[in-house]
Amino acid sequence: GESVGLHLPTLSVQEGDNSIINCAYSNSASDYFIWYKQESGKGPQFIIDIRSNMDKRQGQRVTVLLNKTVKHLSLQIAATQPGDSAVYFCAEILPWGGGKLIFGQGTELSVKP
Amino acid sequence: GAVVSQHPSWVICKSGTSVKIECRSLDFQATTMFWYRQFPKQSLMLMATSNEGSKATYEQGVEKDKFLINHASLTLSTLTVTSAHPEDSSFYICSATSGGGNQPQHFGDGTRLSIL
Repeated sequence: GESVGLHLPTLSVQEGDNSIINCAYSNSASDYFIWYKQESGKGPQFIIDIRSNMDKRQGQRVTVLLNKTVKHLSLQIAATQPGDSAVYFCAEILPWGGGKLIFGQGTELSVKP
Repeated sequence: GAVVSQHPSWVICKSGTSVKIECRSLDFQATTMFWYRQFPKQSLMLMATSNEGSKATYEQGVEKDKFLINHASLTLSTLTVTSAHPEDSSFYICSATSGGGNQPQHFGDGTRLSIL
C-alpha cells in the first residue's frame, strides 16, 4: 500500500554546472561511507566511497568530502549531465555492524538541459 | 564485475499468496546478502542480513515468519513474502558483498511487488 512519508529533498541544476549534494550521518563511530546513485525503478549503484581516515577522495567527475567534526558528507559532481539525474543516497557503516549500511534520506537531482 | 541479478523484476499477485524473490551474485561469491524494502520517495530500509549457511538476522520490527530468507549457497539468496497483503506492496532490493564490512555492497535492480 501507499505510505505517507517524507518527500525527498530536490536539487535542480543546469547541465554543465557543478552539483553539490549534502548528507548528515548519524553515528560518530561510523568508519566507512559510500555514495549511491539510484535511477527510477532500479537498485542503488555504487559511485564512490571514503574511509574515516580520509577527508577527501576523488573519482571521475565526482569528489566526496568528509567532515567528521560535524558528521557531514558531501558529493560533488563536476559538469553535471542529464544522465546524472537520479536520487543520491549516502550510507554509513559502523565498524561493529557486520557490514550493515545505514542509508541517509536521499536527494533527488534533476538536471535541466 | 560485481553483478547482482534479482528476479522477478515485477510481480502482481492476489492477497494471500506467497511470493519468492531471488537474488544472485553472478560473478563473485557473496558471503553476505542483505534485503531492503523501499517505499516511494523514501530511503532504503534494511530488513535482514543473510550469511551463507546461517539463519538470517532480522531488523527490529521485521516479522521473520512473514519474510522468509534462505541463503543456501554463496551465489543465491531468496526472500519469500508469505501470505502477502496489500500493505506488503513495495520495492524489494537485495545486495551482496564478498567482504563483510570492508567492501561495498552491490545491489540488484529490485523487485516491484504489487498485492491486489
